[in-house]
Amino acid sequence: DIQMTQSPSSLSASIGDRVTITCQASQDISNYLNWYQQKPGKAPKLLIYDASNLETGVPSRFSGSGSGTDFTFTISSLQPEDIATYYCQQYDNLPPYTFGQGTKLEIK
Amino acid sequence: EVQLVESGGGLVQPGGSLRLSCSASGFTFSGYGMNWVRQAPGKGLEWVSYITSTSTIYYADSVKGRFTISRDNAKNSLYLQMNSLRDEDTAVYYCARRRGKAPNLRFDYWGQGTLVTVSS
Repeated sequence: DIQMTQSPSSLSASIGDRVTITCQASQDISNYLNWYQQKPGKAPKLLIYDASNLETGVPSRFSGSGSGTDFTFTISSLQPEDIATYYCQQYDNLPPYTFGQGTKLEIK
Repeated sequence: EVQLVESGGGLVQPGGSLRLSCSASGFTFSGYGMNWVRQAPGKGLEWVSYITSTSTIYYADSVKGRFTISRDNAKNSLYLQMNSLRDEDTAVYYCARRRGKAPNLRFDYWGQGTLVTVSS
């Protein structure tokens, strides 16, 4: 099975900061990677699909890039409502559809 | 408006069984693959099972042989029959819709989750 290594596991940043989270796959997954946001007590929400496509209705301060084994998720200017845990998910070919361990984002 | 509503969670003893349901509305249920994803308390997301629109089925190794996913398109419903439950199955269980043309996919809508607690 493909393993996803997400880092950092937690991150503290100030409002307005640029925030970057990385995800590394254990083998080449092309662009088969999604990013989700989960706020406490809520279901995950899709933000980015196919590594770099912004889901409809998601603010443009969120972006994703990468292919192969290395992927990056960026918030260009952190807002208070972005406090959440972020997960990457790979979906190469067939299941299992593995998630990264998550990155908990807090305000400094 | 797309809605997914899970039900059926609760407290069950180790070795027991539980059946979760996910009621779908706001879209043509029969045309979409559906997933179950779980989250243990304070932990990350774990994909559990996937059923395609044509009822091809996949399971995570951790639940294979114990859990059974199924769907009833006439009732717009997804199910997860969970048998031989273990302490480590304690989690919030989410149903999630698969969107995207193969090989691409994404989970674009999620239910609110239902809590399963396995404890004696």
